Amino acid sequence: EAQVTQNPRYLITVTGKKLTVTCSQNMNHEYMSWYRQDPGLGLRQIYYSMNVEVTDKGDVPEGYKVSRKEKRNFPLILESPSPNQTSLYFCASSGRMDNEQFFGPGTRLTVL
Amino acid sequence: ILNVEQSPQSLHVQEGDSTNFTCSFPSSNFYALHWYRWETAKSPEALFVMTLNGDEKKKGRISATLNTKEGYSYLYIKGSQPEDSATYLCAYTSGTYKYIFGTGTRLKVLA
Repeated sequence: EAQVTQNPRYLITVTGKKLTVTCSQNMNHEYMSWYRQDPGLGLRQIYYSMNVEVTDKGDVPEGYKVSRKEKRNFPLILESPSPNQTSLYFCASSGRMDNEQFFGPGTRLTVL
Repeated sequence: ILNVEQSPQSLHVQEGDSTNFTCSFPSSNFYALHWYRWETAKSPEALFVMTLNGDEKKKGRISATLNTKEGYSYLYIKGSQPEDSATYLCAYTSGTYKYIFGTGTRLKVLA
């Protein structure tokens, strides 16, 4: 089944404790992206990747890192999480910009 | 700053009513406009990707039109059903792989 998976689905952590949210897709898509969803705001793009080893900042990259060492994986790293990073995070992938994006199930992160 | 606006923010309609909502986006450097359907506790699912001025797409009772010159797209739902209740998102891209999403239109269809 074609899908985007994310782990963990839920996470409660404390300020400053490094964490990684994994994202994996099995559709051989070149493009992958991370978004965060906050009440009253649209999905905001954090980082995106056009292919292996090619990444770029979205609109809200501060406090996040990404890597794309393999085509299928695009982990999101929070080196020192802060409470303002409490949010619902989505990973997405697509073959091209004029193709639909496939979204993962979401990761709800709470930083205390 | 590029901005994508969706209106209305929310609406309630009766089952069987037809409805439509608007997505406004920058008309310059347009590449594609995406529509997504997002049900509560699920993840967004793609409805349409539109690239050409004058494009019209249809999927069942849902259709969309695109005007890139004036920077707007309409989403229409004919004969709304309770299962159409969801938030409808649009997203604009200028071809840089950056996507800008609107805040969505929350639709509630009352049985």
